[in-house]
Amino acid sequence: GNSVTQMEGPVTLSEEAFLTINCTYTATGYPSLFWYVQYPGEGLQLLLKATKADDKGSNKGFEATYRKETTSFHLEKGSVQVSDSAVYFCALGNAGGTSYGKLTFGQGTILTVHP
Amino acid sequence: SAVISQKPSRDICQRGTSLTIQCQVDSQVTMMFWYRQQPGQSLTLIATANQGSEATYESGFVIDKFPISRPNLTFSTLTVSNMSPEDSSIYLCSVEGTGRGGYTFGSGTRLTVV
Repeated sequence: GNSVTQMEGPVTLSEEAFLTINCTYTATGYPSLFWYVQYPGEGLQLLLKATKADDKGSNKGFEATYRKETTSFHLEKGSVQVSDSAVYFCALGNAGGTSYGKLTFGQGTILTVHP
Repeated sequence: SAVISQKPSRDICQRGTSLTIQCQVDSQVTMMFWYRQQPGQSLTLIATANQGSEATYESGFVIDKFPISRPNLTFSTLTVSNMSPEDSSIYLCSVEGTGRGGYTFGSGTRLTVV
């Protein structure tokens, strides 16, 4: 079945540091890939997505590239801010079949950014 | 993308009782999804709710414990029945956004069972 493996946290960085959160997946077909963010006390928000190989999703300075050859979708940001402190989830959307629409989530990575 | 109103936002319940969580979407959607996020854990899909048919449950989840209603294309409820402290979690509903992907989530219901 589908699975998502995320870099274990927590990750603690200083403001303006470079961020990478690794995400690899196992899936059949050509799934869509997502990064979701959960700020403290809030619900889940879509951060970015990519729907096919070599697509790059980007939003709010975050980027992730769909790498089919390495089955990866690593999240990066060149300069993090304190306001980026949150839990980040990598997720995979089924490509089709009866489970179309179902998301499989990674375990989440807690990011804390200090001033 | 769709906007989801989920309620209640939180509740504290006695063990053995039941809680019904509601999700209202501002547009018609074919499928709605219910997830559970246990403390410090990731999200796990409970079931998929299609209008006009019974919900499809994931392994480890059963209808008697988590009955779901889907009376129309904009509304769904999830009931957590006969609750125990192990049911303390955040419960979220979700729908697919426009195009392929970009699922939208409700703000979640934080349930504490005492």
